[in-house]
Amino acid sequence: GEDVEQSLFLSVREGDSSVINCTYTDSSSTYLYWYKQEPGAGLQLLTYIFSNMDMKQDQRLTVLLNKKDKHLSLRIADTQTGDSAIYFCASARATNKLIFGTGTLLAVQP
Amino acid sequence: DAGVIQSPRHEVTEMGQEVTLRCKPISGHDYLFWYRQTMMRGLELLIYFNNNVPIDDSGMPEDRFSAKMPNASFSTLKIQPSEPRDSAVYFCASRLQGSGELFFGEGSRLTVL
Repeated sequence: GEDVEQSLFLSVREGDSSVINCTYTDSSSTYLYWYKQEPGAGLQLLTYIFSNMDMKQDQRLTVLLNKKDKHLSLRIADTQTGDSAIYFCASARATNKLIFGTGTLLAVQP
Repeated sequence: DAGVIQSPRHEVTEMGQEVTLRCKPISGHDYLFWYRQTMMRGLELLIYFNNNVPIDDSGMPEDRFSAKMPNASFSTLKIQPSEPRDSAVYFCASRLQGSGELFFGEGSRLTVL
């Protein structure tokens, strides 16, 4: 079945850039998502990209998609302590069934 | 605008009891999803509705779980009887057809003793 994989942990210093990586297996994915989850909270949609796009930028966030390798990344520029959270990658076909990765815990050191 | 609203936020119950979780999607959204989050299995899609009709319930663990959407502004997820392994955070999410944006509620944390 479809699968989405992420590394479990990333530690960066405040002010540095963070890059969180994700691979997916479903070549029919239409949408690819990044969600942020803070402790005890729900999932906050950060950004998403259509599968026919290579890149999307939104303020400090840059999403890169390599469709050939089924690789998605999220770059956070000028990472702040408030960015500390779990980041989930997800893929979906047009049928709406989002498949989530296991999440990457981002720890930002002051 | 109000987001997806779930209740209760926390529920502690004893094994064998019935549990009902509630969700109000964002007004105008025509897709509603129920997810479950656990440490062991991550985020799993349980069921989703389109225009109040269940489309895919293949993720519902077993017959103890049931979900309904009697109207466009309300859905329930019921577990009867509940078991300790049902302990998890249950999320509801909604989406507008044609939009890629799926919005989640704050979740209902269920603990079954």
